[in-house]
Amino acid sequence: ETGVTQSPTHLIKTRGQQVTLRCSSQSGHNTVSWYQQALGQGPQFIFQYYREEENGRGNFPPRFSGLQFPNYSSELNVNALELDDSALYLCASSPAGGSAGGYTFGSGTRLTVV
Amino acid sequence: DQQVKQNSPSLSVQEGRISILNCDYTNSMFDYFLWYKKYPAEGPTFLISISSIKDKNEDGRFTVFLNKSAKHLSLHIVPSQPGDSAVYFCAASAQRSDYKLSFGAGTTVTVRA
Repeated sequence: ETGVTQSPTHLIKTRGQQVTLRCSSQSGHNTVSWYQQALGQGPQFIFQYYREEENGRGNFPPRFSGLQFPNYSSELNVNALELDDSALYLCASSPAGGSAGGYTFGSGTRLTVV
Repeated sequence: DQQVKQNSPSLSVQEGRISILNCDYTNSMFDYFLWYKKYPAEGPTFLISISSIKDKNEDGRFTVFLNKSAKHLSLHIVPSQPGDSAVYFCAASAQRSDYKLSFGAGTTVTVRA
């Protein structure tokens, strides 16, 4: 059983640029959630995708967008990058509807905006 | 708006002793609570959870206590082992099957040999 894989592991972008982060969900999981973890803080919910549609969104501006593909993998896109977007971005997959402890997290993508 | 708070950023404990991690929440709608453990360069991994209909849940060395009236939960690890050194996050959701987890800022536990 493969876990959640995220790519790339690290990247550096310039303010104003756009970035795409990728996530492959765990086998058997059809729901993907994205979280942003800023330095010294806990993860904050960005949004979730289920059946290729956004299924809930946290307090993030529209320049944060996502996609889910038929194989349940997902992308997180961030436009017009700002310095405060520097963070660890975590992807978590789960069975439909989630369950107790059902979220499996990837190791994250460390994004640095300069 | 921080709805889940972990007020102790760090905890140091002797191997074999008890580690107690605390978490407070403000949202009365939260009815499911989880603890995650995170090692450097890895994603958070699920540790233990508790539903609001219970006040205690135990799994091996890990026990979570919930005090709904105080909106407080704690994680007890006994005995603490060197492999327990990690960051521990408290998380909460409004429904057991809800997609959105609200996390605290984490507590870094260091177990001294």
